[in-house]
Amino acid sequence: GAVVSQHPSRVICKSGTSVKIECRSLDFQATTMFWYRQFPKQSLMLMATSNEGSKATYEQGVEKDKFLINHASLTLSTLTVTSAHPEDSSFYICSARAGQASYGYTFGSGTRLTVV
Amino acid sequence: QKEVEQNSGPLSVPEGAIASLNCTYSDRGSQSFFWYRQYSGKSPELIMSIYSNGDKEDGRFTAQLNKASQYVSLLIRDSQPSDSATYLCAVRRSNDYKLSFGAGTTVTVRA
Repeated sequence: GAVVSQHPSRVICKSGTSVKIECRSLDFQATTMFWYRQFPKQSLMLMATSNEGSKATYEQGVEKDKFLINHASLTLSTLTVTSAHPEDSSFYICSARAGQASYGYTFGSGTRLTVV
Repeated sequence: QKEVEQNSGPLSVPEGAIASLNCTYSDRGSQSFFWYRQYSGKSPELIMSIYSNGDKEDGRFTAQLNKASQYVSLLIRDSQPSDSATYLCAVRRSNDYKLSFGAGTTVTVRA
């Protein structure tokens, strides 16, 4: 089955620093990657969508200069949280979609970011 | 109006009972529907996908879809304590590949 590997699973960083989160599709080519954020007791909120080789499209209210997304290959997408602040502390999850309908949407294991 | 709405929880059922979860959506052109299970602190895992009207069964899970009513449901038969989790309904938007998620329904199965 389709597997998406997401790293790191947990990260603690100091306010003002940047953090990079990686998502890799291990056994399929991810045509599209989605990045979500989930606050406690809330549902997943889509932050941005990226297609390999093109700029990410961000949802309304998401700062593109703060959340940098790179989808340089069909198997790797990265999310960099720049100048992190405590309010950026959240659970970040990536999801990959292959071109083939049978794979559907596969989620990474998530990254718990804590900004202190 | 929210794109995807789920029945408010939490839902508590005794072990062995049927848990019934409901979801409505606003985009009449949507064609793909998914139920995900999410344990606390973990990412969602796919339980069922359904694309056609009617029922789809997979083990103890049955998804039901009624596009005319813009309604999708999930039944969990013979509920087990391990089914205790938050269940998320997701609908693929008709004009792109993005998923819209409901707020989730938390299910607790009492032993």
